[in-house]
Amino acid sequence: NAGVTQTPKFQVLKTGQSMTLQCAQDMNHNSMYWYRQDPGMGLRLIYYSASEGTTDKGEVPNGYNVSRLNKREFSLRLESAAPSQTSVYFCASRTPAGENTEAFFGQGTRLTVV
Amino acid sequence: TQLLEQSPQFLSIQEGENLTVYCNSSSVFSSLQWYRQEPGEGPVLLVTVVTGGEVKKLKRLTFQFGDARKDSSLHITAAQPGDTGLYLCAPMNYGGSQGNLIFGKGTKLSVKP
Repeated sequence: NAGVTQTPKFQVLKTGQSMTLQCAQDMNHNSMYWYRQDPGMGLRLIYYSASEGTTDKGEVPNGYNVSRLNKREFSLRLESAAPSQTSVYFCASRTPAGENTEAFFGQGTRLTVV
Repeated sequence: TQLLEQSPQFLSIQEGENLTVYCNSSSVFSSLQWYRQEPGEGPVLLVTVVTGGEVKKLKRLTFQFGDARKDSSLHITAAQPGDTGLYLCAPMNYGGSQGNLIFGKGTKLSVKP
């Protein structure tokens, strides 16, 4: 089982360039999430999608857009990258809400904006 | 917006020592989860505590949910280098949508041999 797959694993961008981070899950989960992780800041939620066709802003959505292409795929787009967006980005999917819910994470995309 | 505080932010100890880390909030939660993130990896679920006052054990790790379901602690007995990582707590609320999976800032633990 692949679980949650993120591509690319590493990326260097110049300020002002655009790019899309890809995420796919093969666990048939409805909910998917994008986070960024900076030193000392834990995981901060950028956007989430509770089901196919819906997306909502998280804690730090500015500078990002998302697309829930289908149930499997949830992409994150940086239209005009800035050095402040240098971070490690994690995608996650989650089983239905309740006591047994569990989030599964990809291995991250390490993005540097110069 | 719920405020979630984890303490300490950093902890560096020797192998064999005991430690406790905390996750505190002013809000009441349906349940609370603890995740561990090893260097270079995504977080992995360790446990979910559901009932106020509940204690769960996972080998040398003991998790407790506060009586009022506003806080939780994680105690590690005889820490080992393999326990090194970032420990994150995530509160759960079952009402409403399943969005907003929010984490605390975490406790970064380093266990030296």
